[in-house]
Amino acid sequence: DVVMTQSPLSLPVTLGQPASISCRSSQSLVNSDGNTYLSWFQQRPGQSPRRLIYRVSNRDSGVPDRFSGSGSGTDFTLKISRVEAEDVGVYYCMQGTHWPPTFGQGTKVEIK
Amino acid sequence: EVQLVESGGGLVQPGGSLRLSCAASGITFSTSWMAWVRQAPGKGLEWVANINPDETTEYYVDSVKGRFTISRDNAKNSLFLQMSSLRVEDTAMYYCARDPEYAAIDIWGQGTMVTVSS
Repeated sequence: DVVMTQSPLSLPVTLGQPASISCRSSQSLVNSDGNTYLSWFQQRPGQSPRRLIYRVSNRDSGVPDRFSGSGSGTDFTLKISRVEAEDVGVYYCMQGTHWPPTFGQGTKVEIK
Repeated sequence: EVQLVESGGGLVQPGGSLRLSCAASGITFSTSWMAWVRQAPGKGLEWVANINPDETTEYYVDSVKGRFTISRDNAKNSLFLQMSSLRVEDTAMYYCARDPEYAAIDIWGQGTMVTVSS
């Protein structure tokens, strides 16, 4: 199985400051169709996950533009330009290029 | 309103069975790949299984293969997960989800809790 490794696992951030989460895969996530199926999900406390980003950098409808995704191959990043209180939660990267789909361990974002 | 609503969770003894259901609304269910994803208490997310729109293709993660069966009823906009030979390690919140492409889940249910314990 493809191993997804996130860092850091805990991320204390000051309100209004930027935050960055890294996600590395054990294999390239470039699919035979040329697409890279790497998504980011946010899980607020007590809630179901919510997709933020798909195919590396495509932001979902309704997701604030302070969230952005980037990367290629095996190295990906989720950035929050200015953290707000509502961004507290756990963030997961996930690959769908290789079966089975696998998630990173999660990064817990909290306010300092 | 787009909604996935799971039901059927509960407490079951090791070796027992349980059937989860998911009622979909607000989506074109009959043309959607669907999936089950689980999350053990305090842990991360794990893909369980998915199924294509006409039920001709099903995929399972190795840890549930031969014990779990995913199915659907397009006439009733419903997804199911039949779980048998349950183990303590199957204890988790089970989420119903829509899989628009290559596991990039865009809609999640609120989850139903399954507890396997004696």
